[in-house]
Amino acid sequence: DTAVSQTPKYLVTQMGNDKSIKCEQNLGHDTMYWYKQDSKKFLKIMFSYNNKELIINETVPNRFSPKSPDKAHLNLHINSLELGDSAVYFCASSQRDRYNSPLHFGNGTRLTVT
Amino acid sequence: SQELEQSPQSLIVQEGKNLTINCTSSKTLYGLYWYKQKYGEGLIFLMMLQKGGEEKSHEKITAKLDEKKQQSSLHITASQPSHAGIYLCGADLFQGAQKLVFGQGTRLTINP
Repeated sequence: DTAVSQTPKYLVTQMGNDKSIKCEQNLGHDTMYWYKQDSKKFLKIMFSYNNKELIINETVPNRFSPKSPDKAHLNLHINSLELGDSAVYFCASSQRDRYNSPLHFGNGTRLTVT
Repeated sequence: SQELEQSPQSLIVQEGKNLTINCTSSKTLYGLYWYKQKYGEGLIFLMMLQKGGEEKSHEKITAKLDEKKQQSSLHITASQPSHAGIYLCGADLFQGAQKLVFGQGTRLTINP
């Protein structure tokens, strides 16, 4: 199936730990994103990569480090997890050179930090 | 304050009734996207609007972008239980940047 898939779906961990979330898209898109949705359902962009190059980096703590090994993959590594990092993290992709191409989202990773 | 404001924040309607959700921006909307989210799932793309005055329909859902391109509405006709979920509007406020900003969402409940 063509899709944006992210793993794991659920992640429960303790404060101070380091964790990673993986994302893969097989839509042939050249741009990938990480969005964070908090408990109030606000969805905010964190990062965007275009052909493995970082193009959007919002004011995100440097404990968050995205990595794009190729244009089909965008992973998110989080160091020294804090309680406030608990949220749902969504990966998305689009085709940047197609004007106003919609974003296609994964099903999200629900991160709970205890 | 949010760059995109949605209203209402939640909506409960009787099955079969019509409803409207609004999305308002203080800036020009270069592209306006409507998504639907069900609990535990990702966002499903519904429609995209670009031109002032544009209107698109898919099944019983119609979306419009006003002439000034600062407000959009999503209208559902004869609502069904399958329409329940969270509706989010997303907008490209920075032309060509592909950096979508989202509203806070509208939680729609359909009562049988």
